[in-house]
Amino acid sequence: GAVVSQHPSRVICKSGTSVKIECRSLDFQATTMFWYRQFPKKSLMLMATSNEGSKATYEQGVEKDKFLINHASLTLSTLTVTSAHPEDSSFYICSAFGSAEQFFGPGTRLTVL
Amino acid sequence: GIQVEQSPPDLILQEGANSTLRCNFSDSVNNLQWFHQNPWGQLINLFYIPSGTKQNGRLSATTVATERYSLLYISSSQTTDSGVYFCAVADNQAGTALIFGKGTTLSVSS
Repeated sequence: GAVVSQHPSRVICKSGTSVKIECRSLDFQATTMFWYRQFPKKSLMLMATSNEGSKATYEQGVEKDKFLINHASLTLSTLTVTSAHPEDSSFYICSAFGSAEQFFGPGTRLTVL
Repeated sequence: GIQVEQSPPDLILQEGANSTLRCNFSDSVNNLQWFHQNPWGQLINLFYIPSGTKQNGRLSATTVATERYSLLYISSSQTTDSGVYFCAVADNQAGTALIFGKGTTLSVSS
């Protein structure tokens, strides 16, 4: 199957700082990638759809100025959590289509102190 | 949007037992996938199965698209099968994101 990587796997930061998370498709090109958020013992919630070369599409209730998404190439999408606060602490996961099915990155656990 | 319901929410088994997990969805789909989330959070692709039946070792899955449900069968369960199993679907537009059910938490004891 297709491989999606994420970096970093874990990050701890102070309140007010910005954090960038990278999502890469390693062995295929992805014109579209997706960003999800998962709270402890909860399901995955779609945050946004990242489109290569154009603006991301955000789900209702997701602040686009808080969660900046850039999809500058066919293999890389980035999610930047700006001015992070403790309520932004969560598990962030990206995904991409490898042919018909979606493959997910290993996730990034963000803790904001 | 599409609603996805999974049952049961929790399942406790003895090693060697069989189990069936169910996923109901509210509208037509062009993508249905089953995942196992391991303790580190990684989602492992189990099946891509918008319709029909597939088998992979001790796991098999069946989707009856006309009746809007899918089943995941686990036979001869092992402790390593423990974790959360998610069903996720996408609607009939190509390239759309997956919508996840709330998952079934499986605990297999030896």
